[in-house]
Amino acid sequence: DAKTTQPNSMESNEEEPVHLPCNHSTISGTDYIHWYRQLPSQGPEYVIHGLTSNVNNRMASLAIAEDRKSSTLILHRATLRDAAVYYCILISSGSARQLTFGSGTQLTVLP
Amino acid sequence: SQTIHQWPATLVQPVGSPLSLECTVEGTSNPNLYWYRQAAGRGLQLLFYSVGIGQISSEVPQNLSASRPQDRQFILSSKKLLLSDSGFYLCAWSVGAGGTRNIQYFGAGTRLSVL
Repeated sequence: DAKTTQPNSMESNEEEPVHLPCNHSTISGTDYIHWYRQLPSQGPEYVIHGLTSNVNNRMASLAIAEDRKSSTLILHRATLRDAAVYYCILISSGSARQLTFGSGTQLTVLP
Repeated sequence: SQTIHQWPATLVQPVGSPLSLECTVEGTSNPNLYWYRQAAGRGLQLLFYSVGIGQISSEVPQNLSASRPQDRQFILSSKKLLLSDSGFYLCAWSVGAGGTRNIQYFGAGTRLSVL
């Protein structure tokens, strides 16, 4: 299974942009890149996903490297409510089985 | 709209006792269902997944088992709990495979403490 690597923790100031990196050097052609976040004592929440092109939604943007071996989740203006563990996950389009959660990045937002 | 229900929210059980955690999904048909466990301060570990009624795949050998008696019901069980079974258990669902987005939607979780 393709794995992901993320920094253990990051800090950001409130109202500033945050760039959360993820490395997935063994990604396969059928793997979608998904990002989830988890607030304390809650289940993970879907944030965004992509395959090859950069993606934007109301929560965040996803920038995918041309070789797809890395990606970056971008929160344009961090708020205190964005403080969470962010997981970068590869999910194969071909099977429900291909699920690999990385270690996650603990994002701290400073007021 | 789709919703996922997971209960109980918290559970304290003695070592050696049985376990049954239930998860149900509403508003969708033939979902893929998942059980995850999260130890304190750790990432998510996939325990079981199911693509249909009676179809269960185990990812990690352990004293836990899973069953899917109905299309939208997923049950996690144990005959005898171990101390190491303590953790945060999460149920999730997704729809489709083979080119679809496969977004997973998680329940609120059950915090299990085995004493």
